[in-house]
Amino acid sequence: DQQVKQNSPSLSVQEGRISILNCDYTNSMFDYFLWYKKYPAEGPTFLISISSIKDKNEDGRFTVFLNKSAKHLSLHIVPSQPGDSAVYFCAASGLIYNQGGKLIFGQGTELSVKP
Amino acid sequence: GAVVSQHPSRVICKSGTSVKIECRSLDFQATTMFWYRQFPKQSLMLMATSNEGSKATYEQGVEKDKFLINHASLTLSTLTVTSAHPEDSSFYICSARRQPGTDTQYFGPGTRLTVL
Repeated sequence: DQQVKQNSPSLSVQEGRISILNCDYTNSMFDYFLWYKKYPAEGPTFLISISSIKDKNEDGRFTVFLNKSAKHLSLHIVPSQPGDSAVYFCAASGLIYNQGGKLIFGQGTELSVKP
Repeated sequence: GAVVSQHPSRVICKSGTSVKIECRSLDFQATTMFWYRQFPKQSLMLMATSNEGSKATYEQGVEKDKFLINHASLTLSTLTVTSAHPEDSSFYICSARRQPGTDTQYFGPGTRLTVL
């Protein structure tokens, strides 16, 4: 049972344009969402997070949007740069896991930004 | 920053031997550390949650006698793969939670295990 889903395994974007990565979840108990970036043979790097009390969080070129009614979140990268090329994972957590801090990860989307 | 290191970064061993992987939080104390496994082109699979001073909590389907976890201090957790077999070959990644009450995890660089 995949509670966090990233339905697009890959995305290709031109440098300078916007990259939009999507993530859907099924468990309404999730209340905290994160995005991680991962290069091959390396551990994930934390990018940005959002609490369920917000619908938007922005950090530089990265913005995460949360639509609780649709159980959907997205990561916007603008402008996209070739160095952004990596696999992006969304992850979710919630009060049901809060004591343990457990994260549930999506399958990842491989972003390729072409010069 | 929140830096997490792992050692070794890569290990090749013979079938039947045991391998120990260390995970350290370098600039913060981590009461909780997590161990993940990643197969090629797949998501991170949580194996277990490691709490300092207590037994690890294993996810369903993960053999606790095969994957021994020790969290002896606030900055060190170890994963020992006992009697390794080729199917244990994988990329193992640890993470640490910086402080209780927050869900952001900071990841180590990972360890590539190859069992011959």
